[in-house]
Amino acid sequence: AQRVTQPEKLLSVFKGAPVELKCNYSYSGSPELFWYVQYSRQRLQLLLRHISRESIKGFTADLNKGETSFHLKKPFAQEEDSAMYYCALSGRGYSGAGSYQLTFGKGTKLSVIP
Amino acid sequence: DAGVIQSPRHEVTEMGQEVTLRCKPISGHNSLFWYRQTMMRGLELLIYFNNNVPIDDSGMPEDRFSAKMPNASFSTLKIQPSEPRDSAVYFCASNWVGGELFFGEGSRLTVL
Repeated sequence: AQRVTQPEKLLSVFKGAPVELKCNYSYSGSPELFWYVQYSRQRLQLLLRHISRESIKGFTADLNKGETSFHLKKPFAQEEDSAMYYCALSGRGYSGAGSYQLTFGKGTKLSVIP
Repeated sequence: DAGVIQSPRHEVTEMGQEVTLRCKPISGHNSLFWYRQTMMRGLELLIYFNNNVPIDDSGMPEDRFSAKMPNASFSTLKIQPSEPRDSAVYFCASNWVGGELFFGEGSRLTVL
């Protein structure tokens, strides 16, 4: 079974402070990890995926297989970063259909205080 | 492409009524997912289709929920009869196998 845990429901930081949104996962195979972001009343959108190893909007995330973690980090928070962040894991469905099924964590609401 | 299109954006209904939510995936995508979002439980996968075939419906909460995908460009999620605890935002999403998952703007359902 695959599981994603985001231990913090709400994280408040001051503008300019570092941000770390925690994500831990449980999966027996080799997972693909993602971070999705949902700004107020907007659709979820992909922020980054671990295989891309890129920085988006100043955010980075490193897959740590030893600790089964995929924490999202940003050195200096901006007000526009305030949003709901979801960590997600993809494990290939073994139904033969080959579709990637995403399991999401419960999300962390990031609030950046001016 | 206009992205994943969902309708209605908002639905307010009374307990016991039938609710039908609609989704048009992105053209060319072969997988479609229905998610439910609540404050308490976050994002839950209800069901997903691959090439219009339901693959995993283990997340469908009860027999009151049903989903169909009659063709590659349309899917429905139906709740009959609806209950207040069904109140949530329902998201549809689509992708090509292994590709980025694109979400619709969601249908906010309120059952009184």
